[in-house]
Amino acid sequence: EVQLVESGGGLVQPGRSLKLSCLASGFTFSNYGMNWIRQAPGKGLEWVASISSSSSYIYYADTVKGRFTISRENAKNTLYLQMTSLRSEDTALYYCARRGLGTYAMDAWGQGTSVTVSS
Amino acid sequence: DVQMTQSPYNLAASPGESVSINCKASKSISKYLAWYQQKPGKANKLLIYDGSTLQSGIPSRFSGSRSGTDFTLTIRSLEPEDFGLYYCQQHNEYPLTFGSGTKLEIK
Repeated sequence: EVQLVESGGGLVQPGRSLKLSCLASGFTFSNYGMNWIRQAPGKGLEWVASISSSSSYIYYADTVKGRFTISRENAKNTLYLQMTSLRSEDTALYYCARRGLGTYAMDAWGQGTSVTVSS
Repeated sequence: DVQMTQSPYNLAASPGESVSINCKASKSISKYLAWYQQKPGKANKLLIYDGSTLQSGIPSRFSGSRSGTDFTLTIRSLEPEDFGLYYCQQHNEYPLTFGSGTKLEIK
């Protein structure tokens, strides 16, 4: 069974940093591109960042470019999102999602980890 | 960036009815549109990708269609478990963008 489990969320002050993790199981992690998507409270889904299977291709939303870094450790089946210079508008539930093979649609999602940026 | 305009915002229907949710892209995305279902306490679920390809394990009462930059998700014979939030997403180019969502409620 494909499983994606996010962790690392919490309450953080504006301007501080936080690192999220997503542990994958039930599939060959190194074969798949991965994504981070977020959802602010009561709002819709917002794509944050994507990384290819070998980390060769990385993309960011303009809202996080220069502040967030997506990375992965295939040997540990883990996806990361390093978030710096956090702002109140980064408050959201952060999901990791697997990119389907042969498509950029997201065919498996975790349940999310909550990040609250507040003083 | 491709803007995705999703409608309606809210939709109320009864079990057994059929409903349609629409999504319009601000420019050509070819066929590359996905539909997702979101329910509280559950992982988001991919229903349709490439505009009309049914994801494995998704019931055939879900279908997707395309006319130019207009896309439609149709759910025939609604089941109680179909109620929830639905999002479209273009997967043709970065940045990936989502529609604003449609809440499907029980009438």
